[in-house]
Amino acid sequence: ELKVEQNPLFLSMQEGKNYTIYCNYSTTSDRLYWYRQDPGKSLESLFVLLSNGAVKQEGRLMASLDTKARLSTLHITAAVHDLSATYFCAVDMNFGNEKLTFGTGTRLTIIP
Amino acid sequence: DADVTQTPRNRITKTGKRIMLECSQTKGHDRMYWYRQDPGLGLQLIYYSFDVKDINKGEISDGYSVSRQAQAKFSLSLESAIPNQTALYFCATSDPWGDYTFGSGTRLTVV
Repeated sequence: ELKVEQNPLFLSMQEGKNYTIYCNYSTTSDRLYWYRQDPGKSLESLFVLLSNGAVKQEGRLMASLDTKARLSTLHITAAVHDLSATYFCAVDMNFGNEKLTFGTGTRLTIIP
Repeated sequence: DADVTQTPRNRITKTGKRIMLECSQTKGHDRMYWYRQDPGLGLQLIYYSFDVKDINKGEISDGYSVSRQAQAKFSLSLESAIPNQTALYFCATSDPWGDYTFGSGTRLTVV
């Protein structure tokens, strides 16, 4: 059974600081996803990582994937208040059995 | 129009009632999914369908049933709602290459 663990679960940080959210998963997988969710809203896709060593960046967010360690990171650079949200990683099963397994999420609060 | 439409957006129902949540998609994808999200938690898979004739249970299917009426439509039913089924429910669709699209969600409250 695939398990996905995120840490920390809660993160409160000041504007301008850097921080990293970690996502570990238990079995081999083809794809790793990062989503953002604002309270009561749907999921906004941030990144899809497909291969070992993949790195993607969008604005102040950068995601990376190490398939050997079964670890993905979401790095936040110089945080701003607008980044306050809950961030989820999710892992897709291997081709032919696609279904997302989600981590429990990291609730990020950026303090001005 | 949204690619994945869920109805209703909000629903309050009484314990023991039967309720159906509906999902339709315009992406033309075969794969559809129902997820449940409890406050402060991630999404858990209830049921998924890879085509009209293929229905599979997810992690938390007890107390739920589904119907895939057409490629574009996938409904979730609670046969006899109970309070701990109060949650935010999401429908999603995907293509074979892992491009997922989520609906806006249905907030269900069982009193």
